[in-house]
Amino acid sequence: DTGVSQDPRHKITKRGQNVTFRCDPISEHNRLYWYRQTLGQGPEFLTYFQNEAQLEKSRLLSDRFSAERPKGSFSTLEIQRTEQGDSAMYLCASSFALENIQYFGAGTRLSVL
Amino acid sequence: KNEVEQSPQNLTAQEGEFITINCSYSVGISALHWLQQHPGGGIVSLFMLSSGKKKHGRLIATINIQEKHSSLHITASHPRDSAVYICAVKGSQGNLIFGKGTKLSVKP
Repeated sequence: DTGVSQDPRHKITKRGQNVTFRCDPISEHNRLYWYRQTLGQGPEFLTYFQNEAQLEKSRLLSDRFSAERPKGSFSTLEIQRTEQGDSAMYLCASSFALENIQYFGAGTRLSVL
Repeated sequence: KNEVEQSPQNLTAQEGEFITINCSYSVGISALHWLQQHPGGGIVSLFMLSSGKKKHGRLIATINIQEKHSSLHITASHPRDSAVYICAVKGSQGNLIFGKGTKLSVKP
């Protein structure tokens, strides 16, 4: 257990539905990252926060995706109008500062039917 | 071409063998990470290094900044080392850019 928790661990949804995932980072960590990993591939960067500010978003993050970190603690990632191509493992990681190791949660596996 | 390339993609070894996984990258970096991912998704950071060599137990990681190359070595491999090993470099914003991973299977 790295101290980063993600909920839910698994989510099965129908195409067109909205889904929301939650990440609780290690409490003193000010940086929080979201990554997506498809089968057989390495994770890909989606977005990151420093405290409550979203500082960078990948081109992968279409307008159907939105992420928040309202109080600089936990974060949510919402996908609207899910598509089959959204099926992946969504990973959250946190770190204390730019130079430090990132600690990963166990991920949320999304299956869009 | 991916910014981070790993080789081999798959590796099968007998217990006790010395294992090497290679990583080459094409971008300027501040640090390189080696991570381990077990079935089910959990990722654990093994090393973060920006120069030279680091050792932790049976694991050794080296990096050559001039050649933009890193290696992860496992000595006296064991079936519990079976996992996917991922190389990642740190981008300018601190986000990690990952290789596709090397799937290691160590047979007893």
